[in-house]
Amino acid sequence: QQPVQSPQAVILREGEDAVINCSSSKALYSVHWYRQKHGEAPVFLMILLKGGEQKGHDKISASFNEKKQQSSLYLTASQLSYSGTYFCGTDAAGNKLTFGGGTRVLVKP
Amino acid sequence: DAGVIQSPRHEVTEMGQEVTLRCKPISGHDYLFWYRQTMMRGLELLIYFNNNVPIDDSGMPEDRFSAKMPNASFSTLKIQPSEPRDSAVYFCAGGANTGELFFGEGSRLTVL
Repeated sequence: QQPVQSPQAVILREGEDAVINCSSSKALYSVHWYRQKHGEAPVFLMILLKGGEQKGHDKISASFNEKKQQSSLYLTASQLSYSGTYFCGTDAAGNKLTFGGGTRVLVKP
Repeated sequence: DAGVIQSPRHEVTEMGQEVTLRCKPISGHDYLFWYRQTMMRGLELLIYFNNNVPIDDSGMPEDRFSAKMPNASFSTLKIQPSEPRDSAVYFCAGGANTGELFFGEGSRLTVL
């Protein structure tokens, strides 16, 4: 079953922060985050394993609440290059990665 | 390494024709996934392989779709016969156990 992402879209000014949420109805082994620019393939950002760890990638970080089967992606001090569609991918059955519907992010100057 | 290579990048065909999409994964990646992306349905997992063996094909929409992985360096996704609703971008992605997925650039299919 597909994880649920929210919000569906967000518009930011450069330097602002945003949070993207991802929730699943199933117990998860891991959560992956990807970013896709228009007309391009999704690109890996980070993976969070069971254990509730938090990870970072430049000024983009994420957390994973194993008990709630939820993950959040934090865009801090957003840059123009952060624009794109962000997808969470959840792995509930050992390497079967299912993606959410995506969150479109637009960062304006 | 050249990355995941997909062909063709663009395909325009008429309803009823057979379509074959090809994928060459990165050497050493033992997992291979086929995804379909549309505006309406997002990124849908169609099928995935581990060590060339199909593990889960529950996402394959109908019998018109089939996928094979005859060896570690090649996979195909075939649609026969194709229908307009099959129009989408088809991505192949590979990776190692529970790790990062590397996506190909996709095959954009238009069925008229």
